[in-house]
Amino acid sequence: DAGITQSPRHKVTETGTPVTLRCHQTENHRYMYWYRQDPGHGLRLIHYSYGVKDTDKGEVSDGYSVSRSKTEDFLLTLESATSSQTSVYFCAITPQGGGTDTQYFGPGTRLTVL
Amino acid sequence: GNSVTQMEGPVTLSEEAFLTINCTYTATGYPSLFWYVQYPGEGLQLLLKATKADDKGSNKGFEATYRKETTSFHLEKGSVQVSDSAVYFCALSDIPGGSYIPTFGRGTSLIVHP
Repeated sequence: DAGITQSPRHKVTETGTPVTLRCHQTENHRYMYWYRQDPGHGLRLIHYSYGVKDTDKGEVSDGYSVSRSKTEDFLLTLESATSSQTSVYFCAITPQGGGTDTQYFGPGTRLTVL
Repeated sequence: GNSVTQMEGPVTLSEEAFLTINCTYTATGYPSLFWYVQYPGEGLQLLLKATKADDKGSNKGFEATYRKETTSFHLEKGSVQVSDSAVYFCALSDIPGGSYIPTFGRGTSLIVHP
């Protein structure tokens, strides 16, 4: 157990509203990631962070922004939610970011945009 | 770029049957290879991994061998149980530009009937 929590676990919102998802870890791991999981697409990387205030884009970053002001928290924001962003969102960490590192995943947030 | 290709599912088996889930990869470097498992309603968790060619990863009766010559990492289990029903993801790790970015396959759903 890598001590990863996500909040909220479920959220229903309307198109055009801002949404922020939170990932919290208790182990001070360096690398944190946000993925979305959709049927037929597997896991797709949205953004990742390699340290406080150090973030970069993944393959599906359009419409999403992130922030990491503390080691333990990584926030994902949908500035103006759209129905195409209905998905299950997973946060993950790797302890050091080395080539043999295992990723540890949070329990996921199910987001529905109406 | 890197890529991972898995056989499409669902794979449907009877209890005690032999399981193979095929995984092939494309990578520019010398990645580590992973199998993750996702049970319903949960995040992914590591099943096994191999960090160099000819290594065999094993866990809970599952095995996979890192075959560099065929760029494959097929998952096998000699006798599946109903509790093995889950989605299985093959993944590789690489460090392009110094940041650890795993690449996942699309996942293979396994359904085991009593």
